[in-house]
Amino acid sequence: QVTLKESGPGILQPSQTLSLTCTFSGFSLSTYGMGVGWIRQPSGKGLEWLANIWWDDDKYYNPSLKNRLTISKDTSNNQAFLKITNVDTADTATYYCARMGATYYVMDAWGQGASVTVSS
Amino acid sequence: DIQMTQSPASLSASLEEIVTITCQASQDIGNWLAWYQQKPGKSPQLLIYGATSLADGVPSRFSGSRSGTQYSLKISRLQVEDPGIYYCLQGYSAPLTFGSGTKLEIK
Repeated sequence: QVTLKESGPGILQPSQTLSLTCTFSGFSLSTYGMGVGWIRQPSGKGLEWLANIWWDDDKYYNPSLKNRLTISKDTSNNQAFLKITNVDTADTATYYCARMGATYYVMDAWGQGASVTVSS
Repeated sequence: DIQMTQSPASLSASLEEIVTITCQASQDIGNWLAWYQQKPGKSPQLLIYGATSLADGVPSRFSGSRSGTQYSLKISRLQVEDPGIYYCLQGYSAPLTFGSGTKLEIK
């Protein structure tokens, strides 16, 4: 059974760095073709892909966030991480991580989401 | 960036009715298209991948099709558990992009 769970600070202030952790089970990020993606969703709005990392450490980012993103992984502990620097209120959202497969880049299992509020 | 134009934005249909949602890609994405269902307060659930392949555990009343750069999700007989917001996602090239969503309700 594949499970993923996001964790984060809940609330942070503008200009701070948001650090998110995705802890997963049921698959390994050292397995060929496996990846983890990060997606966010402001309350009442649509989904936005942020970044993903593959088993071979290949990484892709959404250019709309202008170099504010860093994705990484800890294969030994079945975790993936996302950092967003210099946050502002527009980064307030629920953040999801999802398992990705190399076939059609499908996100076939999602975490429950972590709510993040940026407020002064 | 590849734009995914999804329609309609909202839809109200009766039980047992056939429902169709479409996504138009701004360029060729082959079969790199997935459909998701999201219910209130929940994470998205994969329905269709590769434009036409049914994800594990998804009822057979859901189906996906492709005609050129237009993709469709069809629910053959709407059931009480099907309301939610449906999204398409193109995985052809980064940045991966979602459609704007279709809110489906029971009439």
